Amino acid sequence: NAGVMQNPRHLVRRRGQEARLRCSPMKGHSHVYWYRQLPEEGLKFMVYLQKENIIDESGMPKERFSAEFPKEGPSILRIQQVVRGDSAAYFCASSPGTSGSAYNEQFFGPGTRLTVL
Amino acid sequence: DAKTTQPPSMDCAEGRAANLPCNHSTISGNEYVYWYRQIHSQGPQYIIHGLKNNETNEMASLIITEDRKSSTLILPHATLRDTAVYYCIVRVVNNAGNMLTFGGGTRLMVKP
Repeated sequence: NAGVMQNPRHLVRRRGQEARLRCSPMKGHSHVYWYRQLPEEGLKFMVYLQKENIIDESGMPKERFSAEFPKEGPSILRIQQVVRGDSAAYFCASSPGTSGSAYNEQFFGPGTRLTVL
Repeated sequence: DAKTTQPPSMDCAEGRAANLPCNHSTISGNEYVYWYRQIHSQGPQYIIHGLKNNETNEMASLIITEDRKSSTLILPHATLRDTAVYYCIVRVVNNAGNMLTFGGGTRLMVKP
């Protein structure tokens, strides 16, 4: 029973390059959340997606950042033209999204650590 | 979601109970209390949640005061592996799902 999977675990990019972070939710989970944790800070919500839909992107920067959760395949968080301030740990979480006692618990992946040189 | 207040840090001796307090005086009637923890460099881990009754699972117990304005997470026999940042979060639970709002948490240090 695999948990939430994220890859790569570590990603190094130079300023101006693109970063693509992948998240495979737990089996049977249809809701995905992305959070960012800057060094020595708490986690901040970025975006919440269901299959093929962005439900809430209120925490996502308006420029350079985008997210998708296609019908098939993992959720992708894409950062274009990265800057040093994008260096952070990016965590993905998933939840079942259906009724029941566990329907709104979020299960987190191990994170992707992005370093921008 | 209601705001929570937690002490920034606590120490606990290995094998003893760790009692982590959380104040949420503005909690609404439809908001649950959730606890997560983050062990260094790992993703947050769900611990327990409750509405108004005390809850217990294999990891911890959650004690919620009768007025629901505060709660305590209890790790009955803390081990070194329980050293982590513990986050108390209050949130509405609904079918649409919603994000977790993490505050500063309590950094628990379990010492030998």
